Amino acid sequence: QKEVEQNSGPLSVPEGAIASLNCTYSDRVSQSFFWYRQYSGKSPELIMSIYSNGDKEDGRFTAQLNKASQYVSLLIRDSQPSDSATYLCAVNDGNQGGKLIFGQGTELSVKP
Amino acid sequence: GAGVSQSPSNKVTEKGKDVELRCDPISGHTALYWYRQRLGQGLEFLIYFQGNSAPDKSGLPSDRFSAERTGESVSTLTIQRTQQEDSAVYLCASSQGIGQPQHFGDGTRLSIL
Repeated sequence: QKEVEQNSGPLSVPEGAIASLNCTYSDRVSQSFFWYRQYSGKSPELIMSIYSNGDKEDGRFTAQLNKASQYVSLLIRDSQPSDSATYLCAVNDGNQGGKLIFGQGTELSVKP
Repeated sequence: GAGVSQSPSNKVTEKGKDVELRCDPISGHTALYWYRQRLGQGLEFLIYFQGNSAPDKSGLPSDRFSAERTGESVSTLTIQRTQQEDSAVYLCASSQGIGQPQHFGDGTRLSIL
């Protein structure tokens, strides 16, 4: 059974701080990695994709990938109360490329 | 352009009835996916379509579930003889190709009485 593991949280950070979200995955041949944000009662919204080892930055968000350690992370700088949501890590199934395996999500709360 | 469109947004039906859910992908997206999300749970893969290839049905939970897609357009997910455990939000996503970012619709919230 291929798995994606995330800390369920809640992760609470003060406004303006850096929020760090972590994810590990079991499928060694996965090639595509994604972070989604899901507000309560809403559908997932794509915020980052990463395919190569290293860092990828987009505005206040930085995704980090380490395939050797099977580890993906998301950093949110200058966290805002509007960032409060559940963050889902998703990894493609290396043998069934279209299928995404989702973690259970980490709930982030940014306190004003 | 428009995002992924799903209908209906909400569906309430009695146990044992059949339901049909519709998804209209982003124009030009060749891949289309269905997921299920039970209350408080993560997303569970059901099926995906890529172009004219045979769909990957490996996530369908039982033979009561089926899905069709016409070309690279609309898809329908059908659940026959619904059970209470089928209650969930059914999410459709599309992407430009396999391995590309998937963009989700707003989902259909299905409630089985």
